[in-house]
Amino acid sequence: EAGVVQSPRYKIIEKKQPVAFWCNPISGHNTLYWYRQNLGQGPELLIRYENEEAVDDSQLPKDRFSAERLKGVDSTLKIQPAELGDSAVYLCASSLAYWGAYNEQFFGPGTRLTVL
Amino acid sequence: QQQVKQSPQSLIVQKGGISIINCAYENTAFDYFPWYQQFPGKGPALLIAIRPDVSEKKEGRFTISFNKSAKQFSLHIMDSQPGDSATYFCAASGGNNDMRFGAGTRLTVKP
Repeated sequence: EAGVVQSPRYKIIEKKQPVAFWCNPISGHNTLYWYRQNLGQGPELLIRYENEEAVDDSQLPKDRFSAERLKGVDSTLKIQPAELGDSAVYLCASSLAYWGAYNEQFFGPGTRLTVL
Repeated sequence: QQQVKQSPQSLIVQKGGISIINCAYENTAFDYFPWYQQFPGKGPALLIAIRPDVSEKKEGRFTISFNKSAKQFSLHIMDSQPGDSATYFCAASGGNNDMRFGAGTRLTVKP
């Protein structure tokens, strides 16, 4: 079974430039998560999708961050414009469902973003 | 946002020794407590998880001990091996709360 796929794996950009990350979850997983992991810290949730609906985006900085999940499968996370403080690893995860025993989350390898 | 406190920040253990990582949580609505293992350049991978209806869960060399009254849980790695060297995260979720992760413990097992 293929795992969660993310691309690109690494991205280096100048501040104020836009950047986008792509995620393909495990087939059949209805719930998709985007996390940000700062150096030496645990992941922090940015947004959670149930199928194509964003059901929890309370931690997403909406002035510069946006996300979409087309047809309830792949998802894209965008930052525009990027700031120095956005340098982090952006992780995508998926799970069969949100509640109960199905909340086991499977993580992708992440995209390491460096903003110069 | 941090609702899960993890210690120690780093841990060095000799091969064959026991590694112990501790976590404490605040939100009594949490009802799912996983531990994730992360190697450099990889995403976190689920190692073992427990629900509060049991006080201990063991899978191979890995054991979670859970103390509901103290709101604490810990990971014990028996017979630690160099291949166990990684960063370990505790986490908690439940009660309409998304997963909250601890800050991580970098474990080094010396041969």
